Amino acid sequence: EVQLVESGGGLVQPGRSLRLSCTASGFTFGDYAMSWVRQAPGKGLEWVGFIRSKAYGGTTEYAASVKGRFTISRDDSKSIAYLQMNSLKTEDTAVYYCTRARRDAFDIWGQGTMVTVSS
Amino acid sequence: DIQMTQPPSSLSVSIGDRVTITCRASQGISNSLAWYQQKPGTLPKLLIYAASTLQSGVPSRFSGSGSGTDFTLTISSLQPEDVATYYCQKYDSAPLTFGGGTKVEIK
Repeated sequence: EVQLVESGGGLVQPGRSLRLSCTASGFTFGDYAMSWVRQAPGKGLEWVGFIRSKAYGGTTEYAASVKGRFTISRDDSKSIAYLQMNSLKTEDTAVYYCTRARRDAFDIWGQGTMVTVSS
Repeated sequence: DIQMTQPPSSLSVSIGDRVTITCRASQGISNSLAWYQQKPGTLPKLLIYAASTLQSGVPSRFSGSGSGTDFTLTISSLQPEDVATYYCQKYDSAPLTFGGGTKVEIK
């Protein structure tokens, strides 16, 4: 079964850091780009960023709201994608979804992990 | 950056109605558009990609059309299980922006 499982969410103070993990199974992880999407409570979906597959250079793209604070990386040997979040703000509070990024859509979504930024 | 808008933010319709949801890009994106369905309390699900291609396993009452700046998602006959929020997403190049969503409710 194709599956994505996020972990690492929780309560963190403003200004601190948190790293989320996304563990993939059921497909050849290294063949795909991976993306992160977040959803603040009661709000819509917001694209956070993605990392291309190694075949496309493994490069990253980010939303303006997180650029310079968040970093996406991947470990293809472990089938894990990471989202390193630094200098967290209260407005980063959201459910964070990991997705498999095909060339034409996000076809597989994890169940999400909640990140709460509060003092 | 290209903005994606989805007016209106909510629709109240009856079971069996034909429902049309719109999505507009501030600049042309060819057919690089995806539609997602998010039922209350669940994760989003891919419905349509490349503006009009139905994702495997999605009921045929869903269809998509459009190109350039104007796109539509149509539900030919609304079923109770279609109560959800529907999002469009541009997929031509980063940023891969989502529309604000259209919430479909039963009248």
